Amino acid sequence: DAKTTQPNSMESNEEEPVHLPCNHSTISGTDYIHWYRQLPSQGPEYVIHGLTSNVNNRMASLAIAEDRKSSTLILHRATLRDAAVYYCILAVINTDKLIFGTGTRLQVFP
Amino acid sequence: EPEVTQTPSHQVTQMGQEVILRCVPISNHLYFYWYRQILGQKVEFLVSFYNNEISEKSEIFDDQFSVERPDGSNFTLKIRSTKLEDSAMYFCASSESSSRRVAYGYTFGSGTRLTVV
Repeated sequence: DAKTTQPNSMESNEEEPVHLPCNHSTISGTDYIHWYRQLPSQGPEYVIHGLTSNVNNRMASLAIAEDRKSSTLILHRATLRDAAVYYCILAVINTDKLIFGTGTRLQVFP
Repeated sequence: EPEVTQTPSHQVTQMGQEVILRCVPISNHLYFYWYRQILGQKVEFLVSFYNNEISEKSEIFDDQFSVERPDGSNFTLKIRSTKLEDSAMYFCASSESSSRRVAYGYTFGSGTRLTVV
């Protein structure tokens, strides 16, 4: 199974930018990089995904390294509602499943 | 924004009983999934479903489990003869039809908490 490595936890202050790193050194050329988050007592929530180029949407930005062996999820201004577990997942083209790791628990302080 | 709806939010059942967990995926999505999360553990893939048949399943999804799309809008997970270790949050998800499904995000429901006593 395609594997990612993330820090167990990170902290941020409200309204500051947050950079959540993810290493995926075994990524193959067709694997997409997906980010999901899970708020307490909720289902996973799609955040963003990309293949090679950096991506922006209303929730976040995804910066993908040129060699694709790492990526960074950027929350431009953290809010208290962004406190969650963030999962970096490699979505493999020939399978339906998403393989969740333990993710990064983000704490946001007022 | 379109949502995946799951019912009930909490189900308590006695060991050995059968339960059916229900999901209404997003209307224009054609791929459907069930995941589960035992308390304090990772989210685990159970099964994917497309065109009225299972397209992929995990080792967890044994003969005790079955899925069905009974009426074109609902998507159900049936667990026969429940065991204590089936206690978990069960999440339904759906995604758009595509030959490259991983090119789209998956939308998850809020889950059903199943407690087997």
